[in-house]
Amino acid sequence: KQEVTQIPAALSVPEGENLVLNCSFTDSAIYNLQWFRQDPGKGLTSLLLIQSSQREQTSGRLNASLDKSSGRSTLYIAASQPGDSATYLCAVNFGNEKLTFGTGTRLTIIP
Amino acid sequence: DTGVSQNPRHKITKRGQNVTFRCDPISEHNRLYWYRQTLGQGPEFLTYFQNEAQLEKSRLLSDRFSAERPKGSFSTLEIQRTEQGDSAMYLCASSLDTRTGGNTIYFGEGSWLTVV
Repeated sequence: KQEVTQIPAALSVPEGENLVLNCSFTDSAIYNLQWFRQDPGKGLTSLLLIQSSQREQTSGRLNASLDKSSGRSTLYIAASQPGDSATYLCAVNFGNEKLTFGTGTRLTIIP
Repeated sequence: DTGVSQNPRHKITKRGQNVTFRCDPISEHNRLYWYRQTLGQGPEFLTYFQNEAQLEKSRLLSDRFSAERPKGSFSTLEIQRTEQGDSAMYLCASSLDTRTGGNTIYFGEGSWLTVV
């Protein structure tokens, strides 16, 4: 079964610190992987998309990496800010035209 | 381009009633997806369209659920004879054909359904 896991479920970090969010998946034959942000009661905002042939993608303070052989992806957030507080979701396209999501990591940045 | 638009944003209905949600995708996107999300969980795939053709339906989509995309533009998701277990946020998303380049999938703000 193709599954996506995100641990921890919640994380609190003081403002200004760098942090890493983790995502693991059960099948290394992925098509791509996408990181999303979700604010309470809102829809999903796409942050980064990594193709299966890529190792990482960067956007501003965000950097996402992909290691297919180990079934892992990380989202690195530099110099965290209170506005970064949200739930971060990892989603994998296993090549079957739909995304399989993890349950997310709820991030709180403490001012 | 205003992104993926969904309405209504919130719907409260009595058990047994029918509800319909509408999704307007990003204009040039040929793929449209419906997902369902409950509290504390990640979104779960329901169905998707390539233009007007519905190509896949999840087993989560019971016979009470029907989705259409009649002209390959907007889509509707109808739930008949609603049950309390249908309470969730229904998310619509769109993208260009992901086979060719794995394009980003963009989500709307979601439609919250509460069945009382």
